[in-house]
Amino acid sequence: AQSVTQLDSQVPVFEEAPVELRCNYSSSVSVYLFWYVQYPNQGLQLLLKYLSGSTLVKGINGFEAEFNKSQTSFHLRKPSVHISDTAEYFCALQGAQKLVFGQGTRLTINP
Amino acid sequence: DAGVIQSPRHEVTEMGQEVTLRCKLISGHNSLFWYRQTMMRGLELLIYFNNNVPIDDSGMPEDRFSAKMPNASFSTLKIQPSEPRDSAVYFCASSREGVGDTQYFGPGTRLTVL
Repeated sequence: AQSVTQLDSQVPVFEEAPVELRCNYSSSVSVYLFWYVQYPNQGLQLLLKYLSGSTLVKGINGFEAEFNKSQTSFHLRKPSVHISDTAEYFCALQGAQKLVFGQGTRLTINP
Repeated sequence: DAGVIQSPRHEVTEMGQEVTLRCKLISGHNSLFWYRQTMMRGLELLIYFNNNVPIDDSGMPEDRFSAKMPNASFSTLKIQPSEPRDSAVYFCASSREGVGDTQYFGPGTRLTVL
């Protein structure tokens, strides 16, 4: 069975501070990995995805993530957050065509 | 190009009533996914279609739920009869038919069953 674990349900940080949102996955087959962001009262938007190649993936809004096969992780990072980054972030894996989502991490930015 | 369109955006109904949620795919996409989001269970995939054919409906909670694609660009999710525990935000998403292709989500329908 495939699963995604987001280790933190909430992450508070100060504006302009760096942030890391953690994601671990479990799968017996090769997977593709995604990070989506959900702003309040909106649908999910793709931040970035890893399909193959370089393990460091850059996405929109200054976010990046690193695929680590040995640690089965796909952590999301941003060097300096802004108030507008306040949202819920979802890590997901795709084995066949289905996406399996983690429980989400709520990122709150304090001024 | 317009994104995925869902209607209605909000629906309030009484227990026992029929509810129909609607979704229009992005032009050129041929895969359609219905999700449900609740605080308790997070995001759950209910069903998905490729080229109008249901591929996996293992996430559909029970027989009260049904989904159709009457044509390549449109889908409905019906709940009959509705129950309070069906209250949730329902999202549809579309993509091209390929592993690794991005799913594009609609804005969601917030359903409240009283």
